[in-house]
Amino acid sequence: AQSVSQHNHHVILSEAASLELGCNYSYGGTVNLFWYVQYPGQHLQLLLKYFSGDPLVKGIKGFEAEFIKSKFSFNLRKPSVQWSDTAEYFCAVRGPGTDKLIFGTGTRLQVFP
Amino acid sequence: DAGVIQSPRHEVTEMGQEVTLRCKPISGHDYLFWYRQTMMRGLELLIYFNNNVPIDDSGMPEDRFSAKMPNASFSTLKIQPSEPRDSAVYFCASSFPGDEQFFGPGTRLTVL
Repeated sequence: AQSVSQHNHHVILSEAASLELGCNYSYGGTVNLFWYVQYPGQHLQLLLKYFSGDPLVKGIKGFEAEFIKSKFSFNLRKPSVQWSDTAEYFCAVRGPGTDKLIFGTGTRLQVFP
Repeated sequence: DAGVIQSPRHEVTEMGQEVTLRCKPISGHDYLFWYRQTMMRGLELLIYFNNNVPIDDSGMPEDRFSAKMPNASFSTLKIQPSEPRDSAVYFCASSFPGDEQFFGPGTRLTVL
């Protein structure tokens, strides 16, 4: 079955630390990839997306992600996190020939001052 | 644009009662999605519409759940009868074809 895996369920960092959250998917063919963020008590908001072209995607708030086709991965990175980045992060994939997004289980990030 | 609008934001009801959740998508978006989010199961797609037509309802848990989209600017998700295990946050999202989905603020449903 098609799936999206986020290996890190809970990440705790201090401010200024670097962040990398893993995301792997099991689709073959052309995919669209997304990272969404959900701040406490709020709805999901798009951080960045990849459809085609440069596999290194820049998003909002200093986030970036790299699409590595050979590894079926789309990891999210940020060089220096802030306390305000405390949130839950969801990777999502839209496979070929479908309109549905399949979401990973999410990674809860806590950043301490 | 006001974004995706959902109402109510919070709903507390008793087991057995009917619950209706409402969603107004972003104007011009062709697609509308209903999701349910719980701690145990994460974010699940329940059903989605294209141009007001239901395309995939395979995520609807059981016959107690139904969704309609009578026009391009309004959709409802109904639970009848409600049960405590339906307690969750229900999100509506909308999009253009092949593009990102924009999420509403959600409805937090508590069934006692």
